[in-house]
Amino acid sequence: GAVVSQHPSRVICKSGTSVKIECRSLDFQATTMFWYRQFPKQSLMLMATSNEGSKATYEQGVEKDKFLINHASLTLSTLTVTSAHPEDSSFYICSAREGGQGDTGELFFGEGSRLTVL
Amino acid sequence: GQNIDQPTEMTATEGAIVQINCTYQTSGFNGLFWYQQHAGEAPTFLSYNVLDGLEEKGRFSSFLSRSKGYSYLLLKELQMKDSASYLCAVMDSNYQLIWGAGTKLIIKP
Repeated sequence: GAVVSQHPSRVICKSGTSVKIECRSLDFQATTMFWYRQFPKQSLMLMATSNEGSKATYEQGVEKDKFLINHASLTLSTLTVTSAHPEDSSFYICSAREGGQGDTGELFFGEGSRLTVL
Repeated sequence: GQNIDQPTEMTATEGAIVQINCTYQTSGFNGLFWYQQHAGEAPTFLSYNVLDGLEEKGRFSSFLSRSKGYSYLLLKELQMKDSASYLCAVMDSNYQLIWGAGTKLIIKP
């Protein structure tokens, strides 16, 4: 199946700093990427949907100025957590959907990134 | 290496019962998740098991045997809207989610 790579897998940062997480589709072009957040033993929570070349669509309650999403190319989307605070510590996971004729509607997930803010 | 296995596709009849199996081999275990995903949509959480046994939630139940590295999702009284992919995912010792490829469930009237 299609491969989505997410980096870094783990990151620890100080409060007030910004952290960037990358999500790459390695063998297909992803017109749409999704960013999720997951707290321990809880469901994935969709944060935003990003389409290549356009602004991301954020879910209700997600601060767009805090969680900056860029989808500048068909193979890369980035999530930047700005001015991170301890409550932002969580597991962030991306998924990607192949566009064009290869689009079956299936989502391919990254491995996830665990953020710890001290 | 780490591996999650589940059938690629299953077919069942409306009103019947279906069991979707998942076997896993991971470095450590911090819980097993089942998600439902309709085509083109984000997955939705169905269940979480961390202890052995059966967890029942309405028409859906999930079973876990850690010693066997095995789980199943049981769907009862199937409805057409249950046609979807069902994803099994295991959280390993590093709290990384290891995902299965998903089982596409087709419900026939």
